[in-house]
Amino acid sequence: DTEVTQTPKHLVMGMTNKKSLKCEQHMGHRAMYWYKQKAKKPPELMFVYSYEKLSINESVPSRFSPECPNSSLLNLHLHALQPEDSALYLCASSLGTGTYEQYFGPGTRLTVT
Amino acid sequence: AQSVSQHNHHVILSEAASLELGCNYSYGGTVNLFWYVQYPGQHLQLLLKYFSGDPLVKGIKGFEAEFIKSKFSFNLRKPSVQWSDTAEYFCAVNAPYTGFQKLVFGTGTRLLVSP
Repeated sequence: DTEVTQTPKHLVMGMTNKKSLKCEQHMGHRAMYWYKQKAKKPPELMFVYSYEKLSINESVPSRFSPECPNSSLLNLHLHALQPEDSALYLCASSLGTGTYEQYFGPGTRLTVT
Repeated sequence: AQSVSQHNHHVILSEAASLELGCNYSYGGTVNLFWYVQYPGQHLQLLLKYFSGDPLVKGIKGFEAEFIKSKFSFNLRKPSVQWSDTAEYFCAVNAPYTGFQKLVFGTGTRLLVSP
């Protein structure tokens, strides 16, 4: 199984809502990532988890809150988002944070109204 | 900081034409290089990767790439494209960043193959 799954596929939320994005992998990978991809732009790294611990936070606003409940799951909790946060949110995983390729999920397309 | 440049933002080809997409990176140390493809409505998929060894790397779907260290380049090639190759192609470099390997993407090249 070389698949990273993400739910939901699409999400529309208001600026006062609280929602969560979910990501799951069963490849035994110990590193998991959140990326943000705006239209016609490359993915930009947001967070890195290594062995369920947050290793990197790329100066992401606190309205985005990541969580790694176990080695297979990664969540991104959203609260009080702005319209400019509308984007495709990608999850990825890799064997570790060293020289390994990353496997990407299909993403959640988020629209903030 | 590492950066990746993709010179062609949009490429339009007819089926059976040859393809070469340019990619240059800025990091001077040891790097790992990747090409990812994003088909319309689908997720990013790994086309090929270079870690070490033979600088000519073969990937899936008939794609190959050549690592030229002296030119800091990792260009993607395919001898004969198909309509199904229409997609966005991202070059990426994995280079050291605060204790781990950060994947930095180029801006992408949108390829349109006309039948």
